[in-house]
Amino acid sequence: SQTIHQWPATLVQPVGSPLSLECTVEGTSNPNLYWYRQAAGRGLQLLFYSVGIGQISSEVPQNLSASRPQDRQFILSSKKLLLSDSGFYLCAWGSWKQQYFGPGTRLTVT
Amino acid sequence: LAKTTQPISMDSYEGQEVNITCSHNNIATNDYITWYQQFPSQGPRFIIQGYKTKVTNEVASLFIPADRKSSTLSLPRVSLSDTAVYYCLVGDVKGRDDKIIFGKGTRLHILP
Repeated sequence: SQTIHQWPATLVQPVGSPLSLECTVEGTSNPNLYWYRQAAGRGLQLLFYSVGIGQISSEVPQNLSASRPQDRQFILSSKKLLLSDSGFYLCAWGSWKQQYFGPGTRLTVT
Repeated sequence: LAKTTQPISMDSYEGQEVNITCSHNNIATNDYITWYQQFPSQGPRFIIQGYKTKVTNEVASLFIPADRKSSTLSLPRVSLSDTAVYYCLVGDVKGRDDKIIFGKGTRLHILP
């Protein structure tokens, strides 16, 4: 069966520091992968999606970037965090028909 | 993807049937309607998906009228654990558009 992992589960980082969040999927090949962010009390905002290795589509211009170095690995990065980057970051795999979400990373930028 | 409109929040009581309606006036021929449930500090979870008329599973029912411009998620006999945010999405069944747009959802609060 398929499993999706995210780490870390929680993270507190100062403004201006770098960020790296990792997502890995097991049990499926060549999945579509997605990064979402959810600010406190808000809906999900699609940040990036990828249909294959090295193929990244950005939905929102910002100081975040994403990479897919391996088929089942998706990384979200930032060189310098902003206060507005705080939120709940979710990785998902699947397609429009059905998406499967990971446990999420709670990021607090101080 | 078609835009959807849902109530921002709803309250109900344990044991009641809850109906959450979603409007999607611009739904396209190939679009399906999908509902997700999200508990606090968790990712959304797929509940149900349908194209027309009625779909039922062990969790919920989905009612879609003939014009498909709206849909209603029905949760029978809710309990406190059904308190969550419910998202309605519409999109191309063939997956030609790989993007999924989550709106703000409906915050359902079940009272004892």
